[in-house]
Amino acid sequence: DIQMTQSPSTLSASVGDRVTITCRASQNIDEWLAWYQQKPGKAPHLLIYKASSVENGVSSRFSASAFGTEFTLTITNLQPDDFATYYCQHYKDYLGGFGQGTKLEI
Amino acid sequence: QLVESGGALVQPGGSLRLSCEASGFTFSNYWMTWVRQAPGKGLEWVGNIQPYGAEQSYVGSVKGRFTISRDNAKNFLYLQMSSLGVEDTAVYYCIKSRESFHYAPGLWGQGTLVTVSS
Repeated sequence: DIQMTQSPSTLSASVGDRVTITCRASQNIDEWLAWYQQKPGKAPHLLIYKASSVENGVSSRFSASAFGTEFTLTITNLQPDDFATYYCQHYKDYLGGFGQGTKLEI
Repeated sequence: QLVESGGALVQPGGSLRLSCEASGFTFSNYWMTWVRQAPGKGLEWVGNIQPYGAEQSYVGSVKGRFTISRDNAKNFLYLQMSSLGVEDTAVYYCIKSRESFHYAPGLWGQGTLVTVSS
């Protein structure tokens, strides 16, 4: 099974900051990596697919990149609505697996 | 749109079937996935099913206990769960792939809560 290691588990930041969340896969997953945002009591919302493609309707303040088995999500100019929990997910070989999540706190 | 239903309180060892009603798209063209989230915990991929239902995949912890199926004529996705344990307590989400005929992340339903307890 492919393991996804996400860091940090908690991230404290302020409005206007730029933050980066990292996800590392235990083996090659090519570009089959997604990022989600989840707010309390709500279903996750897709932000990024195919490692760096921004989903329709998602703010341009969200971007992502990949280098080998390391993937990063970057959020610039943090807004109050961005404070949530973020998850990475691989979807290689028609399977799936999530990172542990990163809670972005004010 | 995706609307899950069927969540309930069930005793350990029991069975339950969840449903996910799809609307607003050609259901038969899309991979569908189930993901669950235990209270206060992270997300766990449960399994998926091809557009025409020929093949399914599952996470190891549910293999042999859970079965994913679909009725493309009625636009419904199902998750049949048996031999339930307390570790299966979670909100269960159904997810539609964002691209037709391609397995990919996408749109989530609102979820349905399954509680396994005596």
